[in-house]
Amino acid sequence: AQTVTQSQPEMSVQEAETVTLSCTYDTSESNYYLFWYKQPPSRQMILVIRQEAYKQQNATENRFSVNFQKAAKSFSLKISDSQLGDTAMYFCAGRSGNTGKLIFGQGTTLQVKP
Amino acid sequence: DTGVSQDPRHKITKRGQNVTFRCDPISEHNRLYWYRQTLGQGPEFLTYFQNEAQLEKSRLLSDRFSAERPKGSFSTLEIQRTEQGDSAMYLCASSHPGTDTQYFGPGTRLTVL
Repeated sequence: AQTVTQSQPEMSVQEAETVTLSCTYDTSESNYYLFWYKQPPSRQMILVIRQEAYKQQNATENRFSVNFQKAAKSFSLKISDSQLGDTAMYFCAGRSGNTGKLIFGQGTTLQVKP
Repeated sequence: DTGVSQDPRHKITKRGQNVTFRCDPISEHNRLYWYRQTLGQGPEFLTYFQNEAQLEKSRLLSDRFSAERPKGSFSTLEIQRTEQGDSAMYLCASSHPGTDTQYFGPGTRLTVL
């Protein structure tokens, strides 16, 4: 069975600072994909960043980057220069290459403070 | 590209009633997914379609739930004999052939009284 675990229910960060959200996953699949989604309050979920588990290089999208540790099955999200608009619930998710479904973690609520 | 749309956005019903939700995916997206999200939790997979074929169903999708995508475009999710435990946000997502990025709609919030 595939599982995705986020152990930080809530986090806060000061505007312009850096924050890291943790995620671990468990799967026996080698063809696996990992994602971070952002869900702002009362707004729809949007993709932040994706990582192919067979690639060693960490994905980066502007202020967002991942620290992918394959042996530890860890997939953390680093947000640099935090902005007030980053306030949202963040979900880590995984997908096996054999299926279309995403398996989501429990989510981390991030509050960016001015 | 108008995004994934869902209708209605909110639905309040009484226990035992049937409800139907609609999802319109992004044009030319051949995969369509349904998820259920309860308050403060991550979405849980229900089912997905590739064109009109329903390829996978979760065990969460009891006999009271049925989903269709008759022409490979929009999809409907029906819940029969609703129960209070069905109260949740129902999310639809779609993806383009050859990519795995799922684009989510705004969701339908169901409240069963």
